[in-house]
Amino acid sequence: EDKVVQSPLSLVVHEGDTVTLNCSYEVTNFRSLLWYKQEKKAPTFLFMLTSSGIEKKSGRLSSILDKKELFSILNITATQTGDSAVYLCAVEAGTYKYIFGTGTRLKVLA
Amino acid sequence: ETGVTQTPRHLVMGMTNKKSLKCEQHLGHNAMYWYKQSAKKPLELMFVYSLEERVENNSVPSRFSPECPNSSHLFLHLHTLQPEDSALYLCASSQMDKSNYGYTFGSGTRLTVV
Repeated sequence: EDKVVQSPLSLVVHEGDTVTLNCSYEVTNFRSLLWYKQEKKAPTFLFMLTSSGIEKKSGRLSSILDKKELFSILNITATQTGDSAVYLCAVEAGTYKYIFGTGTRLKVLA
Repeated sequence: ETGVTQTPRHLVMGMTNKKSLKCEQHLGHNAMYWYKQSAKKPLELMFVYSLEERVENNSVPSRFSPECPNSSHLFLHLHTLQPEDSALYLCASSQMDKSNYGYTFGSGTRLTVV
């Protein structure tokens, strides 16, 4: 059965800290891995990764995929209170088929 | 605003009621989705419409009935729901020939069944 596992489930840090969120997967037909940020309701797209070892970067956020070990990490440096959200990892495992993890809830304290 | 609009934002309904959730996308996408998000669970795909053809998740109870009258609109008709159906229902859209950005999600409808 295809599955996506995120860790940790929740995390509390202070502003300025660096955090690393993990996403591991087991799917039979991997196409891509996506990261989303969900602050209140609508998840918003962060990154899509298809190739191993190529870092995607956007400001203080970066992500990389390891297709050999079947995981991805999302790094956030110099965290701010506005980074507080649930971070969702999803794997595209076929047409129409996106498998989501349960998410990591990040809280950044001022 | 993401380009995917869901109404209503909140809905409280009794178990004998019939209601509908509405989703509209203004992105020119050709696929639309309903997801259910319950506390501490992964998003669960409920229904997919691609070019107005339905691809259904067989584990969805028949008390949930989708309708896609055109490529911009998607409905989820609800009847005789159970309290465990209380959740956030998210609509999403995508362009099936370009998976570069995955989905665009709406803000969801928070459904409470009493």
